[in-house]
Amino acid sequence: QVQLVQSGAEVKKPGASVKVSCKASGYTFTSYGISWVRQAPGQGLEWMGWISAYNGNTNYAQKLQGRVTMTTDTSTSTAYMELRSLRSDDTAVYYCARAEIMITFGGVASPGYMDVWGKGTTVTVSS
Amino acid sequence: EIVLTQSPATLSLSPGERATLSCRASQSVSSYLAWYQQKPGQAPRLLIYDASNRATGIPARFSGSGSGTDFTLTISSLEPEDFAVYYCQQRSNWPPEITFGQGTRLEIK
Repeated sequence: QVQLVQSGAEVKKPGASVKVSCKASGYTFTSYGISWVRQAPGQGLEWMGWISAYNGNTNYAQKLQGRVTMTTDTSTSTAYMELRSLRSDDTAVYYCARAEIMITFGGVASPGYMDVWGKGTTVTVSS
Repeated sequence: EIVLTQSPATLSLSPGERATLSCRASQSVSSYLAWYQQKPGQAPRLLIYDASNRATGIPARFSGSGSGTDFTLTISSLEPEDFAVYYCQQRSNWPPEITFGQGTRLEIK
């Protein structure tokens, strides 16, 4: 079956970096993208960005530009999200989700809807 | 950035009743809108995409409607397992981005 398996919980100090992995199975990895979404405790959902597993193109939420990097390893069907310069308000559950690759008339790729989700990775930032 | 505003923030209903949840966009998103359900401790689940299409395996009691800036998720007859938080989400082609509404909590009355 189609599934996304995420890496385990992390505890980091302010200023550190975290790298979360998301291993896909049950579908052709390079036919989709992976979006990353986070949810702070008791809060709503925040889209962080996405990566096309087809060609590695990325788009990041403006708020996180410069601090986040998303990559893929197609040999292992794994996506990664690295967040740097961590702050206490980065404490959240981080989800990866499969996203269809939508191609516009201009040939630009954009993320589609998120139909398969990982279970989430808790990242705690605390001194 | 397109802002999505959901209403009401909390909806209190009983099993068997009809639920109507709203999502308003700050500018037109055409039909590029989805609805997700999230239960405590779980990842969100895609219910509706492109405003009115049910995702795979979603019961027929869930339906979506709307286009442009005003959208509605309707649950025709609430089951006990439907009490959860619901989020709307829009996707835009340029710039490629996604935004979520703040959520509507559907609770048992």
